[in-house]
Amino acid sequence: QQPVQSPQAVILREGEDAVINCSSSKALYSVHWYRQKHGEAPVFLMILLKGGEQMRHEKISASFNEKKQQSSLYLTASQLSYSGTYFCGTPPTGGFKTIFGAGTRLFVKA
Amino acid sequence: DVKVTQSSRYLVKRTGEKVFLECVQDMDHENMFWYRQDPGLGLRLIYFSYDVKMKEKGDIPEGYSVSREKKERFSLILESASTNQTSMYLCASGLGRNSPLHFGNGTRLTVT
Repeated sequence: QQPVQSPQAVILREGEDAVINCSSSKALYSVHWYRQKHGEAPVFLMILLKGGEQMRHEKISASFNEKKQQSSLYLTASQLSYSGTYFCGTPPTGGFKTIFGAGTRLFVKA
Repeated sequence: DVKVTQSSRYLVKRTGEKVFLECVQDMDHENMFWYRQDPGLGLRLIYFSYDVKMKEKGDIPEGYSVSREKKERFSLILESASTNQTSMYLCASGLGRNSPLHFGNGTRLTVT
């Protein structure tokens, strides 16, 4: 079951904040976040584990609410380099394969 | 740095042709994956492998098969290419469940 991401797209001015959400209908063991810039491969940002701490990657942080089966990615004081498509991925409990959401397209303009 | 190399960046094939997409990783990862990426649908898992000669179907395996004869190499095979298989194909590798995936640069396949 593919996790659901929202919003589908967001446009920001440099310096503004944004939140990207990822939710699943199934119990989550962990959530992975990736960013893909145009024409490039997806690049790993962070993994959040059940019972783990909030994680950070530069000025991007994320939280994981196991009870609500959702994760949120917080982009603070966005920079032009944050533009791209953000994917959340959810491995099933006990499994290896990572199922990704449809992605959130983020565009930061000067 | 982990390197995942896909053999072709762009590929154009005719309907009915047999197509091989090759992927090689250099970090001794047990797990390898094939995804296809289509606008609005994100990354959808076709097949994955957790060991040599071991494979499991992902969410959209129909029309595809895979081969993993060596740990570093994972091949995706389209037995008889069809136009609805026109897509970007991404290979990835990883160590385990809580490890990040490392992606190749992708192969954009066009089936005419």
